[in-house]
Amino acid sequence: TQLLEQSPQFLSIQEGENLTVYCNSSSVFSSLQWYRQEPGEGPVLLVTVVTGGEVKKLKRLTFQFGDARKDSSLHITAAQPGDTGLYLCAGGSGGSNYKLTFGKGTLLTVNP
Amino acid sequence: NAGVTQTPKFRILKIGQSMTLQCTQDMNHNYMYWYRQDPGMGLKLIYYSVGAGITDKGEVPNGYNVSRSTTEDFPLRLELAAPSQTSVYFCASRPGLAGMNTGELFFGEGSRLTVL
Repeated sequence: TQLLEQSPQFLSIQEGENLTVYCNSSSVFSSLQWYRQEPGEGPVLLVTVVTGGEVKKLKRLTFQFGDARKDSSLHITAAQPGDTGLYLCAGGSGGSNYKLTFGKGTLLTVNP
Repeated sequence: NAGVTQTPKFRILKIGQSMTLQCTQDMNHNYMYWYRQDPGMGLKLIYYSVGAGITDKGEVPNGYNVSRSTTEDFPLRLELAAPSQTSVYFCASRPGLAGMNTGELFFGEGSRLTVL
């Protein structure tokens, strides 16, 4: 069974601060996705990374896939209250990546 | 654009009752999934389907059944409901991975089920 460990589990910060959350595994994944989930809604995709060492930027969010494709990080610069939510990483496996394994998530609260 | 639609949004069941959670998508996606989400536990895969007529078990299939008679619909059946099935259930779909598809999962808004 492939497991994804996310840390920290909870994070509460002030508006304007920077933060990094992590997603680690002992298994190799062919792709890794990050989702954000707001209360009462389903998760929404933020980014997909597929190449070891890949870095993608989405405005104030920077995503990195580890060289060995076993880990990933999400860095948020100058956090805003609108960034509040549950951040989930999901690893793809199988010949066609049709099965995703999800981590337990990091619950981020950005206080104004 | 409707996307993935789940019904009902909320339901309370008594122990031993049965019910079906409905899921339909209008994006012509081949792959469909049912997840359950418990507090602090992330998303656990219950069942998935790679196309009409094909279903397979995920991590936590016990107590559930699914069918996929059409591309659009993927209902989840709970037989003999138990308190351990109290959870939020999410249906999701995704296209195949050909071309530039990222494999993005499109989720419904969830169905909150309580078994008392």
